[in-house]
Amino acid sequence: ELKVEQNPLFLSMQEGKNYTIYCNYSTTSDRLYWYRQDPGKSLESLFVLLSNGAVKQEGRLMASLDTKARLSTLHITAAVHDLSATYFCAVDWEYGNKLVFGAGTILRVKS
Amino acid sequence: ETGVTQSPTHLIKTRGQQVTLRCSSQSGHNTVSWYQQALGQGPQFIFQYYREEENGRGNFPPRFSGLQFPNYSSELNVNALELDDSALYLCASSPRLVPAYNEQFFGPGTRLTVL
Repeated sequence: ELKVEQNPLFLSMQEGKNYTIYCNYSTTSDRLYWYRQDPGKSLESLFVLLSNGAVKQEGRLMASLDTKARLSTLHITAAVHDLSATYFCAVDWEYGNKLVFGAGTILRVKS
Repeated sequence: ETGVTQSPTHLIKTRGQQVTLRCSSQSGHNTVSWYQQALGQGPQFIFQYYREEENGRGNFPPRFSGLQFPNYSSELNVNALELDDSALYLCASSPRLVPAYNEQFFGPGTRLTVL
């Protein structure tokens, strides 16, 4: 059974600081997704990582994938308040869009 | 081109009742997946429909059932509602079911409250 673990589960940051969210998964896969969710809203796709060593960046967020270590990271650079949300990683375990999600990381950026 | 839509937005039911949630997939998408997201948790895969047939199911009891119609819209039915069924139900559609990567698009969700 595929398990996806995120840490930390809660992250309180000061504006301008850097931090990394980690996503570990238990079964080989090279399809990993990062989503953002605002309170009461649906999922917003941030990154799709489809191969070992994939790195993608959008604004202050950068995601990477190491399939050998079964690890993905979401790095936040110089955090701003607008980044406050819950971030999920998800792994596609059968390559058929049947995603297994982590528990989510609640990010709060304080000014 | 319209995105994935779901109805209703919110729903309140009582224990033991039955509920039907609806999802219209994005134009041209023949695969629909349903997820349950309890408060404070990550979404959990319920099942997927491809060309009107169930194509995979998560760890949910048989009282969770679904349908997909010829126009690829889908329904999620839950019988004998329990308090723990209270959650945000998300559907997602993708263009086709092949090993190659196909982006999946999520709808806005239906918030179900069971009293």
